Amino acid sequence: AQSVAQPEDQVNVAEGNPLTVKCTYSVSGNPYLFWYVQYPNRGLQFLLKYITGDNLVKGSYGFEAEFNKSQTSFHLKKPSALVSDSALYFCAVRDTGTGRRALTFGSGTRLQVQP
Amino acid sequence: GAVVSQHPSWVICKSGTSVKIECRSLDFQATTMFWYRQFPKQSLMLMATSNEGSKATYEQGVEKDKFLINHASLTLSTLTVTSAHPEDSSFYICSARDQLAGAYEQYFGPGTRLTVT
Repeated sequence: AQSVAQPEDQVNVAEGNPLTVKCTYSVSGNPYLFWYVQYPNRGLQFLLKYITGDNLVKGSYGFEAEFNKSQTSFHLKKPSALVSDSALYFCAVRDTGTGRRALTFGSGTRLQVQP
Repeated sequence: GAVVSQHPSWVICKSGTSVKIECRSLDFQATTMFWYRQFPKQSLMLMATSNEGSKATYEQGVEKDKFLINHASLTLSTLTVTSAHPEDSSFYICSARDQLAGAYEQYFGPGTRLTVT
């Protein structure tokens, strides 16, 4: 079965510093990987995805993520954090080795950017 | 593009009543929509996959007679919580994928907060 792990419940970073939010996955086939952000009492907003091709993918609001097949990781990064980046971040995977079309989400990581 | 709406955004109902939540893809057609449930400070849990013109596929442990899903058109799916109880209080989120555009990502609605008193 597919699964996603986000080992950190919360990440704290000072404004202007680089940030990393970690994600590892487990699938039977090839993964489609996604990052979403959620603000309080709101739905999820799509940030970026990895389907195939370059391991480094760039997304919205200056975020990027690197697909590492050997480490089964897809960490989210941003070179310089903003206070407005403070939110809840979810990593998700779709396992192409199954017929399942739905996404499986990680437990979420709360990012807190301090001014 | 790729906007998904939900209605209502929040609802309070009395125990024993039924509540219908609508999910619409505003600018694309979605043969498949997904319904998730999110408890406070927790992740999204898939409840069911809604298929246009056919029965929904429910995840293990989700009561299909309690959570009725109808996908009547390519742009509308509804979730009806029947005989609601306080433990059904949660944040319900739908999503859809623009398959015709070849998009892989799902687009999420803003969510519906249900409170059962």
